[in-house]
Amino acid sequence: GAVVSQHPSWVICKSGTSVKIECRSLDFQATTMFWYRQFPKQSLMLMATSNEGSKATYEQGVEKDKFLINHASLTLSTLTVTSAHPEDSSFYICSAISFPWTNTEAFFGQGTRLTVV
Amino acid sequence: GDSVTQMEGPVTLSEEAFLTINCTYTATGYPSLFWYVQYPGEGLQLLLKATKADDKGSNKGFEATYRKETTSFHLEKGSVQVSDSAVYFCALSVGGKLIFGQGTELSVKP
Repeated sequence: GAVVSQHPSWVICKSGTSVKIECRSLDFQATTMFWYRQFPKQSLMLMATSNEGSKATYEQGVEKDKFLINHASLTLSTLTVTSAHPEDSSFYICSAISFPWTNTEAFFGQGTRLTVV
Repeated sequence: GDSVTQMEGPVTLSEEAFLTINCTYTATGYPSLFWYVQYPGEGLQLLLKATKADDKGSNKGFEATYRKETTSFHLEKGSVQVSDSAVYFCALSVGGKLIFGQGTELSVKP
């Protein structure tokens, strides 16, 4: 299957700093990428949908100024957590699909564990 | 709106026991249905999928049948192994966007 690489796999940062997470599709062109957040022992919650070359669409309740998403190319989307605080500590996962979307699987990155201290 | 409901865990079974994890969904239109598995500290892996009613997805001994009449996609395995211990997520796909159930933790004891 297609490969999606997420980097870094874990990061620890100080409160008030910003952290960038990358999501790359290695062997296909990802027209759309999704960003999810997972709290311990909980399900994945969709944060936003990003389409290459356009602004991301955020789910209700997700602060777009806090979670900056950029999808500048067909193989790369980035999520930047700005002015991170301890409550932003979580497991962030991206997924990618390619055009034409045919209602088949999305491919997931391995996730990034963010800890804000 | 669209949603997925799974049976609550944790589910604890002995090796070689039969597994069922219930999943029901609510959706407009005709979604595709998926089961994903997550091992500790890792991302999600697709376990199986079904794209239309009456389709049966299967992989690694796991099976699930897309039942439109009962809006269900229950996961089954005839004989579980210790290595099957993980969290299992049922999901539906709408426009590539996945909506997940709350996950069911499975623990298999030797």
